[in-house]
Amino acid sequence: AQTVTQSQPEMSVQEAETVTLSCTYDTSESNYYLFWYKQPPSRQMILVIRQEAYKQQNATENRFSVNFQKAAKSFSLKISDSQLGDTAMYFCAFSNQGGKLIFGQGTELSVKP
Amino acid sequence: DVKVTQSSRYLVKRTGEKVFLECVQDMDHENMFWYRQDPGLGLRLIYFSYDVKMKEKGDIPEGYSVSREKKERFSLILESASTNQTSMYLCASSLDRAWNSPLHFGNGTRLTVT
Repeated sequence: AQTVTQSQPEMSVQEAETVTLSCTYDTSESNYYLFWYKQPPSRQMILVIRQEAYKQQNATENRFSVNFQKAAKSFSLKISDSQLGDTAMYFCAFSNQGGKLIFGQGTELSVKP
Repeated sequence: DVKVTQSSRYLVKRTGEKVFLECVQDMDHENMFWYRQDPGLGLRLIYFSYDVKMKEKGDIPEGYSVSREKKERFSLILESASTNQTSMYLCASSLDRAWNSPLHFGNGTRLTVT
């Protein structure tokens, strides 16, 4: 069975600094998708970034980028120039054929002024 | 933008009551999901549906059932609510079964069973 593990329950970062959230997963599949979702205090979960396992190039969306290490089954999220609005719970998720997502435990990120 | 609407943000029910959580999406998505969110456990899949009148069990279906009579509506039913079902419930939809199809979430329903 596929599993997703986020080993950092809580993190904090100063505004304008860079922070990296960790995620590891376990699967025997060769192709799959990985996602990072953000859940701000208002609660609606939104997609931050996604990465296809077959693509070697790391995905980037503005200040958000990933470090995808397929052999190590690692998928970390880097947030550059952190802003107060980045304060949220962040979830890593895995998807293979069928479109069903498996989520990690979440990392609560606080951005401090 | 896709809108996923959950009928209640907060709900308080008594043990043994039958509870309905409703979810509606407005973008003609094929897939709909019910997740349960608990601190330290992340999101766990309860049930999902790929089409009208179709349903499949997720990882924690015990104590729950679902109904999808129309494409846009996916209901989660707690036949006899128990205190261990106190949780945040999130509904989501996605366009199709493609593995890169992102989920669109509702705002969540915080259910308390007393």
